[in-house]
Amino acid sequence: QQQVKQSPQSLIVQKGGISIINCAYENTAFDYFPWYQQFPGKGPALLIAIRPDVSEKKEGRFTISFNKSAKQFSLHIMDSQPGDSATYFCAARRRTGNQFYFGTGTSLTVIP
Amino acid sequence: NAGVTQTPKFQVLKTGQSMTLQCAQDMNHNSMYWYRQDPGMGLRLIYYSASEGTTDKGEVPNGYNVSRLNKREFSLRLESAAPSQTSVYFCASSAGLAGATYEQYFGPGTRLTVT
Repeated sequence: QQQVKQSPQSLIVQKGGISIINCAYENTAFDYFPWYQQFPGKGPALLIAIRPDVSEKKEGRFTISFNKSAKQFSLHIMDSQPGDSATYFCAARRRTGNQFYFGTGTSLTVIP
Repeated sequence: NAGVTQTPKFQVLKTGQSMTLQCAQDMNHNSMYWYRQDPGMGLRLIYYSASEGTTDKGEVPNGYNVSRLNKREFSLRLESAAPSQTSVYFCASSAGLAGATYEQYFGPGTRLTVT
């Protein structure tokens, strides 16, 4: 049973456009929601994260929107660049045991 | 400061062989994790160690064992490898409950093929 559901599986965006990736969860015991970026042949690296007491967090071109009542959160990449082409994973942390659950990933391609 | 290191980077095994994947972190983190990554499946947790001296099963523990050797090192053992264990394995660490951040740091991965 997938604890965190992520969509879309793949995304193609023109340079300068907005990329949007969505995630949904059910477990109310989650208390931290990170997004990871992974380039081919590398391990995932933290991009941006949010806690459920905040509805939005922005870092440069990357924004997380968080809807606690709907149990959904999304990543917005503004002014998408070819260098943003990578796989993006959402995740959620369960307080007990500091355990993390990941979405299935979104392969983003930004076309020049 | 190397972060999280994993050895080996690549490995080919025959069905039934055993091997141990090694992971070490130099960030004084309490929690360590083993994930496997398969196409279309994302990262799935195999085992984790919330703190030194404890280990717990994750989502897909069957066919694996772990050892938290000390605070720095967390190894993953395949006792009798099967083709279904062909995957990329990632080790990760985080400061844990006593830390100020929940960020996980990942190693570079081990690409394992079982024939």
